[in-house]
Amino acid sequence: DGGITQSPKYLFRKEGQNVTLSCEQNLNHDAMYWYRQDPGQGLRLIYYSQIVNDFQKGDIAEGYSVSREKKESFPLTVTSAQKNPTAFYLCASRELRDSPYGYTFGSGTRLTVV
Amino acid sequence: DQQVKQNSPSLSVQEGRISILNCDYTNSMFDYFLWYKKYPAEGPTFLISISSIKDKNEDGRFTVFLNKSAKHLSLHIVPSQPGDSAVYFCAASVWTDSGYALNFGKGTSLLVTP
Repeated sequence: DGGITQSPKYLFRKEGQNVTLSCEQNLNHDAMYWYRQDPGQGLRLIYYSQIVNDFQKGDIAEGYSVSREKKESFPLTVTSAQKNPTAFYLCASRELRDSPYGYTFGSGTRLTVV
Repeated sequence: DQQVKQNSPSLSVQEGRISILNCDYTNSMFDYFLWYKKYPAEGPTFLISISSIKDKNEDGRFTVFLNKSAKHLSLHIVPSQPGDSAVYFCAASVWTDSGYALNFGKGTSLLVTP
């Protein structure tokens, strides 16, 4: 079955540590996205990538970094520079030639800073 | 600046009645509008969409209405069922040089009571 896998589902991080969230898709989608969800804030775009080895900042990229070395993988690193990292993180992908309702979301990672 | 607004953070409806979720937008260039449904600790799933050239789209119990002059859309669920209890996100799409960009509202939490 094709889909997006995010791991781990729950992640705890100590203050000052970097942590990397995994996102893997086997849908052969060109584009991949990272969103952050906070209560009452909706989904805010962190980074996106439309092609291997290229990515762009979204609306709230500060304190985050990404890489796209392979088409199927788009890991997100939450760095110690991110002031409020505790949130629910969602990865999504889509085929670029699709209409906009081609977005597929992963099941998310809940990151908690302790 | 929030281009897609869901002004009601929560809504409670009795089972069997109609649920109406509202969404307003500011960008007249949006060409597709989508509704996503999200359960806790899961990724959003696509529910229904409407093109900006239409004013109504129906899929089973779900109907989306678009009023372009008012920059307003609504999702009607008839009849509402307890399994419909979830957060509903309104999203709007606009074509950019980088492809389609999705803008999400903050979500409305729907509770359907027996």
